Amino acid sequence: DQQVKQNSPSLSVQEGRISILNCDYTNSMFDYFLWYKKYPAEGPTFLISISSIKDKNEDGRFTVFLNKSAKHLSLHIVPSQPGDSAVYFCAASARSNDYKLSFGAGTTVTVRA
Amino acid sequence: KAGVTQTPRYLIKTRGQQVTLSCSPISGHRSVSWYQQTPGQGLQFLFEYFSETQRNKGNFPGRFSGRQFSNSRSEMNVSTLELGDSALYLCASSPTQGPAGYTFGSGTRLTVV
Repeated sequence: DQQVKQNSPSLSVQEGRISILNCDYTNSMFDYFLWYKKYPAEGPTFLISISSIKDKNEDGRFTVFLNKSAKHLSLHIVPSQPGDSAVYFCAASARSNDYKLSFGAGTTVTVRA
Repeated sequence: KAGVTQTPRYLIKTRGQQVTLSCSPISGHRSVSWYQQTPGQGLQFLFEYFSETQRNKGNFPGRFSGRQFSNSRSEMNVSTLELGDSALYLCASSPTQGPAGYTFGSGTRLTVV
């Protein structure tokens, strides 16, 4: 049962524009959410996270928004750069489950020059 | 400091064989988690070890097992390999239990023929 869903397998955006990646979850116990970025032949690297007590977290060009009532979070990348081309994974965890991470299937972002 | 090291990087095995994958966490990290990545499925949680004890286990058959040594290094074993076990196996280490602080290795690409 996929508790974290990324319904868009791919996203293409022009350099300098905004990239918006979406993620939905079904488990209301999730209280911590993360985004990871993965290049081919490398492991995922941590990008940004947000606790359920917040609705927004910003780090440079990356902003994560959390809508708990809709069980939805999104990652905004502004402006998009060619180096942002990668697979982005959304992940969620619950303190009640020892913070085991549940991942989405990933969204492949391609930034066009 | 050295990152998470996974060996080997690539492996080809025949159906029915068994395989052992190794993960050396970042020095001082006591938590090691294993994930399986297949196309379209994202990262599926296998198990987590903390101070040599399995703290959490995903929904995988008993053919998948693991252990952690006193130096925090971890091994994952898959017995009676099936074609469907072909995947990228990722290890992540963290200084403590919890969602933050995960650092992933580059993975072991297992191909079962």
